[in-house]
Amino acid sequence: DGGITQSPKYLFRKEGQNVTLSCEQNLNHDAMYWYRQDPGQGLRLIYYSQIVNDFQKGDIAEGYSVSREKKESFPLTVTSAQKNPTAFYLCASSSTGGKTYNEQFFGPGTRLTVL
Amino acid sequence: QKEVEQDPGPLSVPEGAIVSLNCTYSNSAFQYFMWYRQYSRKGPELLMYTYSSGNKEDGRFTAQVDKSSKYISLFIRDSQPSDSATYLCAMNGYEGETSGSRLTFGEGTQLTVNP
Repeated sequence: DGGITQSPKYLFRKEGQNVTLSCEQNLNHDAMYWYRQDPGQGLRLIYYSQIVNDFQKGDIAEGYSVSREKKESFPLTVTSAQKNPTAFYLCASSSTGGKTYNEQFFGPGTRLTVL
Repeated sequence: QKEVEQDPGPLSVPEGAIVSLNCTYSNSAFQYFMWYRQYSRKGPELLMYTYSSGNKEDGRFTAQVDKSSKYISLFIRDSQPSDSATYLCAMNGYEGETSGSRLTFGEGTQLTVNP
């Protein structure tokens, strides 16, 4: 089955620890995205990548880091510098192409709780 | 001020009612307008998308875009309990060859359809 997988589904972290969220897709999409969802805030873009070995900051990149070494993988690290990391994290992917809309497909999400 | 404004609700309606969900936006560069549905603790899934102004119908769902007023709507006819979810509007515009499908989301409206 084609799709996006995120792991783990639930993650607990102590303050001061870094943690990495996994995102894998087998849709052969060039672009991948990380969003954060908080109650009353909608989805906010953290980082996105249009192509392997390249990525750009989104609207709320501070305290996060990413890598894109393989087309199918886009892991997100939540660092200890992120002041309020408890949230629902969503990964998405899409094909790319200039002046057109490319549907973003979402994974099931990872709920991160900082203890 | 947010680029996209959406009433978060919650909205509660009886089964069979017509539901109207709305978003306003401020960025005149937006060209594609999407509605995503998100069930509790799941990733969003695309419901409909519309390019520029006009109407689009898909079964019980109708999406409307009025670019002159910067206003979009989603109508659900004959609403069902299975329609109970959070509905997110999303938009994007062409920002250049490398922009891909960067989306700006509303905060979502939580809908409950009561049997």
